[in-house]
Parts: sequence; C-alpha cells; structure tokens
Amino acid sequence: QVQLQESGPGLVKPSETLSLTCTVSGGSISSYYWSWIRQPAGKGLEWIGRIYTSGSTNYNPSLKSRVTMSVDTSKNQFSLKLSSVTAADTAVYYCARDRVTELASTYYYYGMDVWGQGTTVTVSS
Amino acid sequence: DIQMTQSPSTLSASVGDRVTITCRASQSISSWLAWYQQKPGKAPKLLIYKASSLESGVPSRFSGSGSGTEFTLTISSLQPDDFATYYCQQLWTFGQGTKVEIK
Repeated sequence: QVQLQESGPGLVKPSETLSLTCTVSGGSISSYYWSWIRQPAGKGLEWIGRIYTSGSTNYNPSLKSRVTMSVDTSKNQFSLKLSSVTAADTAVYYCARDRVTELASTYYYYGMDVWGQGTTVTVSS
Repeated sequence: DIQMTQSPSTLSASVGDRVTITCRASQSISSWLAWYQQKPGKAPKLLIYKASSLESGVPSRFSGSGSGTEFTLTISSLQPDDFATYYCQQLWTFGQGTKVEIK
C-alpha cells in the first residue's frame, strides 16, 4: 500500500528556509493532491498547503507569503519550503495524500487518507 | 476564511459510554467534512469523510452526521483504544481538537 516518508533537516536557524521532502512509495504520485500539515508540541493541527501533480497549489492564507511547494513526479516526491522561519515554526511536520476533486473551480473534499510518520523540525540558533 | 470550532475541548468518559463531539463551521461547507483520530506521537488517522462516510477499516462504532454548518462525530460504545484526540477538518482548516480521556 502507499506509504509516505518525510525527510529533511531537523534543525533550522531563525530567518533561514525550512526544506522538507515527502517520498511516496508503493504507488504513483500522479493524479492526487498532496498536503503538508504541521503540529507544534502539545497543540493542534495546522494545514500548510496542498499541491496537485500538475503543480497547481493552494496555501494556507496565514503562511502563503512564506510557503512554496513543488512536485517531482519522476522521483515520486513532493517538497515544502518555508522561508524566514522563527521559533513559532517549530513543529512536527506531516505529509499526507489528500483526496480532493476539483470541478469548475469547486472543490469536493474526501479527507487525507495516507499520512507520513511526521518529522520534527526545531528552529533555533 | 472558514473557521471550524469543536466542542467540547476535553471530554471525560468511561468504556462503554456513547460519546458525541460537535464541530461547527463559520459558514456552510455542505457535507465536505472529515474527522480524524490522533494518538500521542502518531499521525492522525482518517475516520469519516464527506461528513458521514466511514473510511475503510474503521470500526462501525464510529459515525458522523450533519451538513451545512453543524456536524457530529459519535462513538456508540467507547472502547479502550478510542481514548485519543479527535479533529474535524474542512478543505483547509482543522478544528482545535477534542481530547477524549478516561473518566
């Protein structure tokens, strides 16, 4: 079955760019949306954004100015970059397969059914 | 932006209890709502999608209902494995979570 694995530095300095990659195994990355979600210690889930395999993206408005997502279908990977990080960006970061259908600019949502195990990113000097 | 509000934030219950969690959207989202269960140190698990559709492999004691702005997740008979935190989610917003703890 499809499995996801996050990878990237566990420690990032303030003001630098956080970069994470999610590798999809056991299935194709094509024809799905893929999301990033984060969770600060002891707090709730925050959706960061999603990308379709065509490269089209939706971002959380509160993070939009700092977020860039990309997809590499040849490697079955998608990536997250979050710029100008502060301590408030310290969190567990998850990637997930996102079941979304878009028709005529209307989104039909069926939930995130496959998740990575999560990777902890700490922002500190 | 659509806001999702869950209640209660914490719920104390016993094994065998019927448990209901409510999620309210700040504007209508039709039935496009998902529910997740999360245990400490683990990724969330999808339970319910499209407000009332049970994800494959999820026990039938879990059910969802609602449409528009008000939704509920019900656990018909709470089991020891169900003590966890539950989140509702629309397309780009999660609720703040409801922790179900042992009474």
